[in-house]
Amino acid sequence: GAGVSQTPSNKVTEKGKYVELRCDPISGHTALYWYRQSLGQGPEFLIYFQGTGAADDSGLPNDRFFAVRPEGSVSTLKIQRTERGDSAVYLCASSLMGQGEGEQFFGPGTRLTVL
Amino acid sequence: GDSVTQMEGPVTLSEEAFLTINCTYTATGYPSLFWYVQYPGEGLQLLLKATKADDKGSNKGFEATYRKETTSFHLEKGSVQVSDSAVYFCALRSGGYQKVTFGTGTKLQVIP
Repeated sequence: GAGVSQTPSNKVTEKGKYVELRCDPISGHTALYWYRQSLGQGPEFLIYFQGTGAADDSGLPNDRFFAVRPEGSVSTLKIQRTERGDSAVYLCASSLMGQGEGEQFFGPGTRLTVL
Repeated sequence: GDSVTQMEGPVTLSEEAFLTINCTYTATGYPSLFWYVQYPGEGLQLLLKATKADDKGSNKGFEATYRKETTSFHLEKGSVQVSDSAVYFCALRSGGYQKVTFGTGTKLQVIP
């Protein structure tokens, strides 16, 4: 079956611009996660959705970052006034449920480059 | 807060050599522990996991044992293959939370 998909695969933007990154989770997965992976580092947690609501947004670095999941499926990560330090690979993951030991399945990521 | 420390790479081994990648952690409570693998050009995949002390996770010839007394979860494989070349991430998830905390990754290169 289809895995987690993310679009675009690459995004190049200029400092100060607004960007949206999209994640399509595995069908039926109720939990969705966003992580950010900088070069040479492991992924860092940003936000976790259970259904439509953000259950944990403690990893969002500042108020320029925002994410939504209006229908409990597709999610969009939005970054306002991008900065060069936002350049990274943004990973999305989904799991069957947000409780217990549900395995997180990762997408291929969106590579964001801010010039 | 939670943290994971793993040995720096890259690690270069000959085919059929023994592999150990060290991982230690700091966490509140009793976390679940994971090893993820990222093959070239592919997304992160769960390799193995252990959810309580003394559990051994295993998959594809890789093993790791949850050692509470040493707060460690070292990854081992008896005989590596060229196809094992990848970046390996040690990670944890604290009980009651859903976010996964990752180490910085260790790149493994296996040469024929």
